[in-house]
Amino acid sequence: DAGITQSPRHKVTETGTPVTLRCHQTENHRYMYWYRQDPGHGLRLIHYSYGVKDTDKGEVSDGYSVSRSKTEDFLLTLESATSSQTSVYFCAISESGRTSGNQETQYFGPGTRLLVL
Amino acid sequence: GDSVTQMEGPVTLSEEACLTINCTYTATGYPSLFWYVQYPGEGLQLLLKATKADDKGSNKGFEATYRKETTSFHLEKGSVQVSDSAVYFCALRPSGAGSYQLTFGKGTKLSVIP
Repeated sequence: DAGITQSPRHKVTETGTPVTLRCHQTENHRYMYWYRQDPGHGLRLIHYSYGVKDTDKGEVSDGYSVSRSKTEDFLLTLESATSSQTSVYFCAISESGRTSGNQETQYFGPGTRLLVL
Repeated sequence: GDSVTQMEGPVTLSEEACLTINCTYTATGYPSLFWYVQYPGEGLQLLLKATKADDKGSNKGFEATYRKETTSFHLEKGSVQVSDSAVYFCALRPSGAGSYQLTFGKGTKLSVIP
């Protein structure tokens, strides 16, 4: 299994508070991704990173920011949490962003369950 | 834009029954296609993949064939087990440079009863 951990695994917070989720990898993979999973929507990409300090927006980026100061860590921040951000958040990594053998395969972390009251 | 449509669940089967979960996609060019599985309380795991037309991905008794002519990637298994109970996601990754995003279907929950 790919070495991906997420912290915290569960969090309850109140509307308007800031929240930071952490993804840590031990695979030295270049690409990292944040997804959210909601019933009836599957998984949707929030932000991704293609290197240290290189990030870009995904499909549902509004209300979220990310940072990547080290290869192994990718942080997702909700500046002011809202109830619509209650979800399960998954981090994923891939060795490459290109179609090349197994390099494009994304490996997922165990997820963080966030409840915003 | 790109999209993935998979059959609505939940699907309930008896042990040793045959499984087919339909998946069709809309995308330009030749995307890569994936099936991921999510067991209760866990993250997603890659089950199988195919990167070009007529490729067959297989793993743990599951198979799926990349059909360009019907834009489909149906998941099949000849004899399911209780341990196969999970949510299955079909996904695509567009072809071309800069195509980092996986587009997922909504998932199909499979329950296998003894």
